[in-house]
Parts: sequence; structure tokens; C-alpha cells
Amino acid sequence: GAGVSQTPSNKVTEKGKYVELRCDPISGHTALYWYRQSLGQGPEFLIYFQGTGAADDSGLPNDRFFAVRPEGSVSTLKIQRTERGDSAVYLCASSPSPSAGQYFGPGTRLTVL
Amino acid sequence: KNQVEQSPQSLIILEGKNCTLQCNYTVSPFSNLRWYKQDTGRGPVSLTIMTFSENTKSNGRYTATLDADTKQSSLHITASQLSDSASYICVVSGIQGVNNDMRFGAGTRLTVKP
Repeated sequence: GAGVSQTPSNKVTEKGKYVELRCDPISGHTALYWYRQSLGQGPEFLIYFQGTGAADDSGLPNDRFFAVRPEGSVSTLKIQRTERGDSAVYLCASSPSPSAGQYFGPGTRLTVL
Repeated sequence: KNQVEQSPQSLIILEGKNCTLQCNYTVSPFSNLRWYKQDTGRGPVSLTIMTFSENTKSNGRYTATLDADTKQSSLHITASQLSDSASYICVVSGIQGVNNDMRFGAGTRLTVKP
């Protein structure tokens, strides 16, 4: 069956630009998570959705970062006025419940020049 | 300071050899500990999950151990294969055991050479 997919796989943008990263979770998974992973580091939690609502957005670094999941399935992570420090791999994961095992997507590698 | 520390940072071994990766944590109280394998360019994939009452869990050639008293875990890989080359990440969940309460280690980068 299909796993978690993320698009694009790579995104190169210029400082100050706006970007959107998309996550398609496994069908039926109600919980969806966004993480950011810098080189040589473990994933860093950003935000968690249960259904359509953001149940925990405590990991978002600042108000330039925003995520939506309007229909409880696909999610989009939005970054405004990108900075070079935003360069990282952005991982999405889904799970059938908040405490069940997570299934990660392959990530989107974002490079801000 | 990270609440989950892994060692070594990187490791190179020859194919067929065994190795052990370490994870020390300070997360307290603690609900469960997971080991993930992350291939280059991929997302992490779960290998094992242990609650505080379990002290060992196996998944094929992977065996994880947990000492909740000393807050230490290890991942032992037996008869390594080239495909074992990856980063291995230790993840500890706090009291609620929910995924948004997970603390990730920085990982150990394992390279298996022929």
C-alpha cells in the first residue's frame, strides 16, 4: 500500500521567498506530524494535527511557519520570508492514533540560498 | 542540553561483524523508547519499541535492550550487512506516550564496509 508521500522532494528558493511543502499521509491516519531535520541531527518536532485541527504547534520556531490540514488528510507546511537558517529536511509522519507508531515520509529537502 | 544522547556519533564496521549503539536519556517520567533506522534520503523507520517494563526486544538481527533504572538503552546489530548502513535514532517518549511528546537523539551514523 502507499506510504506517506511528500512533495516536492527538493526545493531550492531564495532568501525572502515563500514556500509550501505538501504531505500526503497514509489513508485513514488521523494524526499527522511535521518535523525538521538538520544535517547530523535527529528530527525536531514542529506541529501535530489530530484531524483538521492543530493539536500541538509548540514546535513551530516563529510566526513565519504555518501549517494547515483543511480536510483532515493532506497537509501543507508554509514558510514565509524564508531565511538561510530554514534550510533543512522537512519530514512528515502520520499515525492511526496519537500514541500508535508513526510512519514517516521521505522528506522535502529545502535549500534557501 | 538534549535529553537523549547517543554514542558513538559515527561507526564504521566490516560486513559480518556485530556492533552495539548506545542511548542515554534523562527524560522523566518516561513512557516508551523506540529505535528507528533512517536510510540516506529517507524518513525514519521504526525498528523496536519498548515500554519501561520491557528490557529487551528483538527484530531480526536487531536487538534492543533497556535499563529504565539507569536510563540507558542499546541497539545490538548481529552479523551486519551492507544494507545496515544508515543512521540509527533513539527516541524517548514522556509520560503521555504520545507522538508529539517524543524526544529524538541525534543518531549514530553506521557504515558497513565490504
